[in-house]
Amino acid sequence: EPEVTQTPSHQVTQMGQEVILRCVPISNHLYFYWYRQILGQKVEFLVSFYNNEISEKSEIFDDQFSVERPDGSNFTLKIRSTKLEDSAMYFCASNQETQYFGPGTRLLVL
Amino acid sequence: SQQGEEDPQALSIQEGENATMNCSYKTSINNLQWYRQNSGRGLVHLILIRSNEREKHSGRLRVTLDTSKKSSSLLITASRAADTASYFCATVPIAGTASKLTFGTGTRLQVTL
Repeated sequence: EPEVTQTPSHQVTQMGQEVILRCVPISNHLYFYWYRQILGQKVEFLVSFYNNEISEKSEIFDDQFSVERPDGSNFTLKIRSTKLEDSAMYFCASNQETQYFGPGTRLLVL
Repeated sequence: SQQGEEDPQALSIQEGENATMNCSYKTSINNLQWYRQNSGRGLVHLILIRSNEREKHSGRLRVTLDTSKKSSSLLITASRAADTASYFCATVPIAGTASKLTFGTGTRLQVTL
């Protein structure tokens, strides 16, 4: 069964550093999403992406965040200058009515 | 209350018992979905119910939707220890099926032997 994959599974970085989280959505899906979940809290929407552009973004998705689909398979989330409060689990999802989630990247900012 | 709030926040039952979780939401929806999350892991899609549906079944899962009350329930029958997880409802707004999911706060289910 096709699935969404994410790399890395864990990332530890220093505050102020840039991180890139990678996702490979399900191949015939057209809509892609990033969500995050701070430890112990609910899952929050960050951004949705369709037809090579952002279709919707939340207040969390400020200028420090960017998304890209650099080729036909990868979908990336970049955080330019990480802050302590960016520590969370980041989930990628792709959609064909049902959103299928990847296993997540646990980001720890020190 | 926030869009997508589940109750109870935590539920502890014994294996074989039924578990019922409720979800309330505020805005009109296109559909409502339930997800399971094992501790520290990803989200697994369980079931989707559309706004024009009232009840749906999938294996041991039964979901109801009452759009007049803006609420949904997830029933897991004959629970097993492996059902131990957090369960989230998530709504898709009426704008369309490709819109973002808005998640609830989740119910932590503990099934003991």
